[in-house]
Amino acid sequence: GAVVSQHPSRVICKSGTSVKIECRSLDFQATTMFWYRQFPKQSLMLMATSNEGSKATYEQGVEKDKFLINHASLTLSTLTVTSAHPEDSSFYICSANRGYIQNTEAFFGQGTRLTVV
Amino acid sequence: AQKITQTQPGMFVQEKEAVTLDCTYDTSDQSYGLFWYKQPSSGEMIFLIYQGSYDEQNATEGRYSLNFQKARKSANLVISASQLGDSAMYFCAASSGTYKYIFGTGTRLKVLA
Repeated sequence: GAVVSQHPSRVICKSGTSVKIECRSLDFQATTMFWYRQFPKQSLMLMATSNEGSKATYEQGVEKDKFLINHASLTLSTLTVTSAHPEDSSFYICSANRGYIQNTEAFFGQGTRLTVV
Repeated sequence: AQKITQTQPGMFVQEKEAVTLDCTYDTSDQSYGLFWYKQPSSGEMIFLIYQGSYDEQNATEGRYSLNFQKARKSANLVISASQLGDSAMYFCAASSGTYKYIFGTGTRLKVLA
């Protein structure tokens, strides 16, 4: 089946530094990928839609300058948390869909647990 | 706008018994998809089952079945013959017209030996 790989799975960084998270579709091309954020014991909240070759689309309330998204190829999207602060500590997870049929299952990466100290 | 409601924050079930996890959705779209995902403590999201809004039959995948009642806008997940490994968070989600998912708040299932 389709596989989406996310790296790193865990990262600890100092406050004020930036962290890059990668999301790769391993056996299919994904023109669109999605980034979600999940606080402990809460649901997944969509942060942004990553579009290959164009700007990402951010959900309301998500700071685009803090969460930089780049989708430079059909198999890779990156999320950079800039100038991270402790409140950015969370679980970040990406997803991608195979093909062009809508309402199909999304394949999720393994997630990245970010801790800002 | 879509909304997914999961009213059961936590559920217990005895091993080998069946359990139903509730999910209701609110959408004005005619075409939509409903999904269930399992999230173990490791955090990964595991796809379980999908139901399309135009599918007349309830979806089934092994021990998982989706009780789709369109008029009631409900898409309950039924897990038969529960196993200890089924203990996890379960999320109901919906999408319509795009690949974006809207998730419910989840139900934490604990299977008892």
